[in-house]
Amino acid sequence: IAGITQAPTSQILAAGRRMTLRCTQDMRHNAMYWYRQDLGLGLRLIHYSNTAGTTGKGEVPDGYSVSRANTDDFPLTLASAVPSQTSVYFCASRQAGWYNEQFFGPGTRLTVL
Amino acid sequence: AQSVTQLGSHVSVSEGALVLLRCNYSSSVPPYLFWYVQYPNQGLQLLLKYTSAATLVKGINGFEAEFKKSETSFHLTKPSAHMSDAAEYFCAVSEGSNYKLTFGKGTLLTVNP
Repeated sequence: IAGITQAPTSQILAAGRRMTLRCTQDMRHNAMYWYRQDLGLGLRLIHYSNTAGTTGKGEVPDGYSVSRANTDDFPLTLASAVPSQTSVYFCASRQAGWYNEQFFGPGTRLTVL
Repeated sequence: AQSVTQLGSHVSVSEGALVLLRCNYSSSVPPYLFWYVQYPNQGLQLLLKYTSAATLVKGINGFEAEFKKSETSFHLTKPSAHMSDAAEYFCAVSEGSNYKLTFGKGTLLTVNP
């Protein structure tokens, strides 16, 4: 089934550890995104990529990094996790065009202790 | 920059009653607008989108939304609520050529029997 997969589904992580959240899409969409969702704050954009080889900062990029080596994959890395990064993380993708919607993955629930 | 305001973080209705979820936007250019639904422990899925073809947009599960430029609104309605409509709903506006979406903070819909 076409769509977006994210791994892991959930993770408990000790503060200070490095963690990479994986995201893969098979729809050949140009653009990909990482959001975090926190109660009362909605979805906040962390980083995005309009096309393979390019990335950009979103609303809350500090403490996170991304890469886009190819069209399908868009990993999000926490270099040294902190408790405030406890959240649910969603990856999304979108085909080029102002009117095109974003498709979302199922999310990764991350707890940093 | 575009922004989205969802009035009411929590809306409660009785089964069979009208559902009205409010969304106002600000945009310096003609907007593309979206409504997403998120069921518990799932990612977001598209309900409907406005792309300037028609001001009244019909979506899945009996939902519709009307774009009113004079009021900068894109409210979501459903004539008769069903228990299965209980979820969180997000309004979003397309932010132009960089393909980003700006989301509102969400409205949690509760449906009472």
